[in-house]
Amino acid sequence: AQSVTQPDIHITVSEGASLELRCNYSYGATPYLFWYVQSPGQGLQLLLKYFSGDTLVQGIKGFEAEFKRSQSSFNLRKPSVHWSDAAEYFCAVGGPKAAGNKLTFGGGTRVLVKP
Amino acid sequence: SAVISQKPSRDICQRGTSLTIQCQVDSQVTMMFWYRQQPGQSLTLIATANQGSEATYESGFVIDKFPISRPNLTFSTLTVSNMSPEDSSIYLCSVDTGVNNEQFFGPGTRLTVL
Repeated sequence: AQSVTQPDIHITVSEGASLELRCNYSYGATPYLFWYVQSPGQGLQLLLKYFSGDTLVQGIKGFEAEFKRSQSSFNLRKPSVHWSDAAEYFCAVGGPKAAGNKLTFGGGTRVLVKP
Repeated sequence: SAVISQKPSRDICQRGTSLTIQCQVDSQVTMMFWYRQQPGQSLTLIATANQGSEATYESGFVIDKFPISRPNLTFSTLTVSNMSPEDSSIYLCSVDTGVNNEQFFGPGTRLTVL
């Protein structure tokens, strides 16, 4: 069975500082990995995705993530956080063996940005 | 990317009533999903809605409580039946893009049951 763990429930970061959100997954083959962002009162927006190839992927809004197979991780990073990055972030895993094309989501990390 | 809309965006309902949520996509898609997001929680998949067949429900969700329709490739509805305060959540629909499980999400329907 596939699963996702986001160890940090809340993270507080100062505006302009760097941000890293952790994501660990469990999947029996090469996974498809996703990061979504949910701003208050909004739906989920896809930030970036990894299917294969280059393990460092670039996304929207200046975010990037690195797939590390040996660590079963797909951590999200941003070099300099803006106040508008305050939101909930969800990591998700799928894959070619995922029943019914379903995604499994982590518990989410809420990011607070201090001025 | 697909553009997805949901109606209503929010509603406040009385206990024991039912609410039907609509999800409209601007392109034809094979698979649509319905999720529930309880306050402060992550997403839980309710069911997969496939055009031309019955919806497939996840463990803990039943058709009598959450009937789903999928009349064509651009539209689906989810009904929350006989509501109780425990049904207060955000309900989200999503579509599978057909590429490696990638999904796009609608803006959600925020439901409050009194």
